[in-house]
Amino acid sequence: DVKVTQSSRYLVKRTGEKVFLECVQDMDHENMFWYRQDPGLGLRLIYFSYDVKMKEKGDIPEGYSVSREKKERFSLILESASTNQTSMYLCASSLWIRGRTGWDTEAFFGQGTRLTVV
Amino acid sequence: GENVEQHPSTLSVQEGDSAVIKCTYSDSASNYFPWYKQELGKRPQLIIDIRSNVGEKKDQRIAVTLNKTAKHFSLHITETQPEDSAVYFCAASSNDMRFGAGTRLTVKP
Repeated sequence: DVKVTQSSRYLVKRTGEKVFLECVQDMDHENMFWYRQDPGLGLRLIYFSYDVKMKEKGDIPEGYSVSREKKERFSLILESASTNQTSMYLCASSLWIRGRTGWDTEAFFGQGTRLTVV
Repeated sequence: GENVEQHPSTLSVQEGDSAVIKCTYSDSASNYFPWYKQELGKRPQLIIDIRSNVGEKKDQRIAVTLNKTAKHFSLHITETQPEDSAVYFCAASSNDMRFGAGTRLTVKP
């Protein structure tokens, strides 16, 4: 069974704090993703990474950064937390099948971190 | 980047009826189209997926169709049951998986 584990289920942080959300997967997946989930907005891609030390901006990267020093770990960093970053954060990983064009595969999700910024 | 639009945002059906959810995508490079079901308080889980070299795929009561020319794909659930009630998300990917906004399906007994 693929396991994607997020370090915290619930977090409460103060405005201006630097916040680290950690995600670890145990299936040697190349791709890792960070999404935030808000009612009516679905899953919005913040950042993704297709290899160690590689990162790509998603649709809403402002106010966030990421780190992927090891293949199994992908960290999301809120440089200075603000109340509009209160949300559910979901990490996911997927296997990339190499080929002429390459194929993505099923993304497995972590259990989510509900972050509240006060 | 890819833009995925999903309709309807809410869908209510009677038990036993069919449900159809539709998505469109913008990036012709996308070649993988999964559908996820998310029950309340749980993580999204894959229910069916389709690749760009296939036009249709079926798994029991669930089917997905893909029209690459029109850049749209649809989820069909037949003989709906109350346990099908959940939020469903479509996604499109060519390495950067983007999701639609979700459809809340309610199946009334």
